[in-house]
Amino acid sequence: GAGVSQSPRYKVTKRGQDVALRCDPISGHVSLYWYRQALGQGPEFLTYFNYEAQQDKSGLPNDRFSAERPEGSISTLTIQRTEQRDSAMYRCASSSLRGRLEQYFGPGTRLTVT
Amino acid sequence: AQRVTQPEKLLSVFKGAPVELKCNYSYSGSPELFWYVQYSRQRLQLLLRHISRESIKGFTADLNKGETSFHLKKPFAQEEDSAMYYCALSGFDTDKLIFGTGTRLQVFP
Repeated sequence: GAGVSQSPRYKVTKRGQDVALRCDPISGHVSLYWYRQALGQGPEFLTYFNYEAQQDKSGLPNDRFSAERPEGSISTLTIQRTEQRDSAMYRCASSSLRGRLEQYFGPGTRLTVT
Repeated sequence: AQRVTQPEKLLSVFKGAPVELKCNYSYSGSPELFWYVQYSRQRLQLLLRHISRESIKGFTADLNKGETSFHLKKPFAQEEDSAMYYCALSGFDTDKLIFGTGTRLQVFP
């Protein structure tokens, strides 16, 4: 079946603009995770959802970052007033119920803030 | 603090040589450990997890709680093993993954 999809795959934006990154999980997957990966680093946890409820947003770096999953399926990660330090690969993953069993990752969105 | 350490950024070996990718962790509790792999131009995917105690593509990893390690081993490396490998942990009270910085494995013919 179809895996996790993310759009756009690449996004170039100017400093100060808002961006919205979309994640479409595997159908039926309850849990959805967002990670950010800077060059040369491992993925860093941002936030995650079970169904539509945001379970943990402790990894969001500041209040410019927010995420939602209103119907328990597609999720959007929004970054307001982007800054150059926001440039990174943003990865989404989904899992069937408990993420510790296996998380399935999407291809990622490469965000570049100029 | 919860932390995963992968001390090697790059590991280069010749085909047929043994491989050991090191992973140490810090976690106050009973962690669950994973190895994820990213082949060139592919997405991040699970290679193995300690609770399964299985061998995938010839790779094994044993959780050593005394040394807080979860090293990934393969007795005979193959060229197709060349990839980026990430060690990760999860805890009993959360499903998020904490990743190490990754080790790039290069297997030369």
